[in-house]
Formats: sequence, C-alpha cells, structure tokens
Amino acid sequence: EPEVTQTPSHQVTQMGQEVILRCVPISNHLYFYWYRQILGQKVEFLVSFYNNEISEKSEIFDDQFSVERPDGSNFTLKIRSTKLEDSAMYFCASSVGTSADEQFFGPGTRLTVL
Amino acid sequence: DAKTTQPNSMESNEEEPVHLPCNHSTISGTDYIHWYRQLPSQGPEYVIHGLTSNVNNRMASLAIAEDRKSSTLILHRATLRDAAVYYCMGLKTGANNLFFGTGTRLTVIP
Repeated sequence: EPEVTQTPSHQVTQMGQEVILRCVPISNHLYFYWYRQILGQKVEFLVSFYNNEISEKSEIFDDQFSVERPDGSNFTLKIRSTKLEDSAMYFCASSVGTSADEQFFGPGTRLTVL
Repeated sequence: DAKTTQPNSMESNEEEPVHLPCNHSTISGTDYIHWYRQLPSQGPEYVIHGLTSNVNNRMASLAIAEDRKSSTLILHRATLRDAAVYYCMGLKTGANNLFFGTGTRLTVIP
C-alpha cells in the first residue's frame, strides 16, 4: 500500500540554525500538508500546498517557515532560524482532493531545538 | 469549520463494540464529518468520513444523526490495537486543513 515517507525521523539542531524537513507524498496525490504536534499537545495545521503554491496557512506558519516542491516527488518544510519552541513532531500529509478525501499522514520527524 | 465536542476518554473491553460520540451542533449543510485517530507515537490515521448518510468501511462505521448535529463512530469489535485518541472534525466543502481538537482517548481493556 502506498505511504507517505518522511526524513529524517529525528533532527537535532541548535537554536538559530536552518532545518529542512523532507517528505515524499503518495505519487498520485495533488494536495500536500504540514502539521506539527508539540509534545503532549494537539496536532496543529501549518500549511497546505496545491498546484505549486500555498493554498492555506495558519498563524503559526510565519515568515520563518517556507515550503517547496523542488521536484516531482519531494515536499519540504524549511525553518529558517529555529527557536526552542519549534521543537515538535512535524507530520507531512497528502491527499488526492480536498474535503471529500482522506489525508494520508507520514510517520513524522521529531525536531529538537537546543 | 464546525466546533466539535467529544468526551475526553472512554474505555472498552476487548472484542466489544465501541460507540464514540461527537457533537457538532454548528455544522453547516455542506461540511463533511471526518474521523481520524492517533495511535501512540504515530501520525494521525484516517478512519472514516461522511456527509449525510451513514458510512461503513473496513475499519469502522459512521452513524450521522438526521439533523447532522452529532455523529457516532462505531468500532464493531475493539482490539488492543484500537487504543488511540480519536478525533472528530468538520470540514467545509473544498477545505483541506484539518483542525484537531483534544479528541477522545480510547482505552481497550484486555
């Protein structure tokens, strides 16, 4: 069964450094998402991406964040200058369509900012 | 998106049916009702979704009230693997950002 994959599984970085989290969505999916979950808290929507542009973003997704689909398979989340509060699990998801379709989530990348 | 209300926690015995309720009294006529779950240390996982009619799939059944202000996720025979946090969400037609609440933590007792 097709699945969303994410790399790395765990990323440790120093405050102020840039990180790039990588995701490979399911190949025939058209919509891509990033969510995050701070330890012990709920899953929060960050951004959705369709047709090579951001379709929606939350208040969390500020200028420090960016997303890109650099080729036909990868979908990346970049954090330019990490803060301690960026430490969280970051989940990538993809779907064929919108509200009538299920989102498939990856296993997540645990980001630890020291 | 519709505000949803779920019990914080529920327990079930293994191999018994489980009915997980969700209130979504502010749902509009075109909002889809989605259910996801999150097993320990894993990403969210789609369970089921519907609009007006009851829905069945290999994982569960979704019973939607006639007025659509509430729905119930039914696991027909709970297994230990079903222990997870279950989230009910309303999603507007054409929208794609899932807003997870605090969900219902289901404990399955062997």
